[in-house]
Amino acid sequence: AQSVTQPDIHITVSEGASLELRCNYSYGATPYLFWYVQSPGQGLQLLLKYFSGDTLVQGIKGFEAEFKRSQSSFNLRKPSVHWSDAAEYFCAVGAKRSGGYQKVTFGIGTKLQVIP
Amino acid sequence: EAQVTQNPRYLITVTGKKLTVTCSQNMNHEYMSWYRQDPGLGLRQIYYSMNVEVTDKGDVPEGYKVSRKEKRNFPLILESPSPNQTSLYFCASSFRTTGTKNIQYFGAGTRLSVL
Repeated sequence: AQSVTQPDIHITVSEGASLELRCNYSYGATPYLFWYVQSPGQGLQLLLKYFSGDTLVQGIKGFEAEFKRSQSSFNLRKPSVHWSDAAEYFCAVGAKRSGGYQKVTFGIGTKLQVIP
Repeated sequence: EAQVTQNPRYLITVTGKKLTVTCSQNMNHEYMSWYRQDPGLGLRQIYYSMNVEVTDKGDVPEGYKVSRKEKRNFPLILESPSPNQTSLYFCASSFRTTGTKNIQYFGAGTRLSVL
């Protein structure tokens, strides 16, 4: 079975500083990988996804993530954080199942606090 | 506008009183799913459905029921709610095919408190 580890439960960064959120996955084959963001009181919004091809993936809101197979990682980065980026971020891994179904497993999330 | 709509957004109930949380999507997605979100545990899948009349258990199905009589609707039923079902619930939908179309769209969530 697949699994996702987000080792940092809380992260605090200063506005304008760079950001890296860590994500490690466990899956026997090439996974589908996702990052979602959840603002307070909101649902989940997809930031970016990796299915195949270029291992550096660009997403919305200036985020990017890099798939590193050798490290089983899919870390999320942003060069300059804005106060509006304060939210909870979830990494997820998808795996093919029979019948065309993709089971998605989520990490426990990383809460990002942005200070002035 | 493409969306997944959950109702109600907030619900307070008492132990044992049956309740239903509705979920509807307008994107003609085959696949729909229910998750619960708890602090420190992330999102865990309760049930999913690959198409009309096709449902199966996720990781934490105990105490829940679902039905899929129409493609657009996927209600979550708690026949006899208990306090350990107090949680934030999300409905999601996607196309069934694997690959680039298989992106889940989430509803805004339903916060349930069982007293």
